[in-house]
Amino acid sequence: SQQGEEDPQALSIQEGENATMNCSYKTSINNLQWYRQNSGRGLVHLILIRSNEREKHSGRLRVTLDTSKKSSSLLITASRAADTASYFCATDEKTGGFKTIFGAGTRLFVKA
Amino acid sequence: NAGVMQNPRHLVRRRGQEARLRCSPMKGHSHVYWYRQLPEEGLKFMVYLQKENIIDESGMPKERFSAEFPKEGPSILRIQQVVRGDSAAYFCASSPRGGLDTGELFFGEGSRLTVL
Repeated sequence: SQQGEEDPQALSIQEGENATMNCSYKTSINNLQWYRQNSGRGLVHLILIRSNEREKHSGRLRVTLDTSKKSSSLLITASRAADTASYFCATDEKTGGFKTIFGAGTRLFVKA
Repeated sequence: NAGVMQNPRHLVRRRGQEARLRCSPMKGHSHVYWYRQLPEEGLKFMVYLQKENIIDESGMPKERFSAEFPKEGPSILRIQQVVRGDSAAYFCASSPRGGLDTGELFFGEGSRLTVL
């Protein structure tokens, strides 16, 4: 089952601009995570936000979580060409063994 | 401390052959997850294993696919009698915890299966 859905599917911006990606999910969660995937590579964990948190920062990343709307956003400030990648949100699905479910991702392209 | 190791990185099989993908989790991690990814798509959950146990295999096709995580050695995802539709990247992830507070997953670089 697909828990998180990212929006937009693709995003193209100029270097230095901010990039905002959104994620919506369907069921109650314990936490929400964001991952990054460079082309042809594995996923790398960026940040985790718990259900009782509303906002979290890590360097140029800012994540918000609105459990009433079942949505999260990832903001990358002052983007760089090296930020070009796919970004996925992931939530834990509390059925059976608490597996982590990923959305379809947002493909970000940062032009130099 | 080596990360999650997957091999082979690339595998080519003809229809009807078997594909065997291996994953060695990070040291100290006893929880392993397998995901499948088609080009330009997200990761689809397949199976979650803990040492010697399958915890959740709800994403695994009922036929031809199997997974194991023995007490010793890597986790193995086995696809029998492969078909063209099995062509995809298969990612393994591990974590030191499972259940309610699984937290961060550590991913390997994936195994790319091409079925001719």
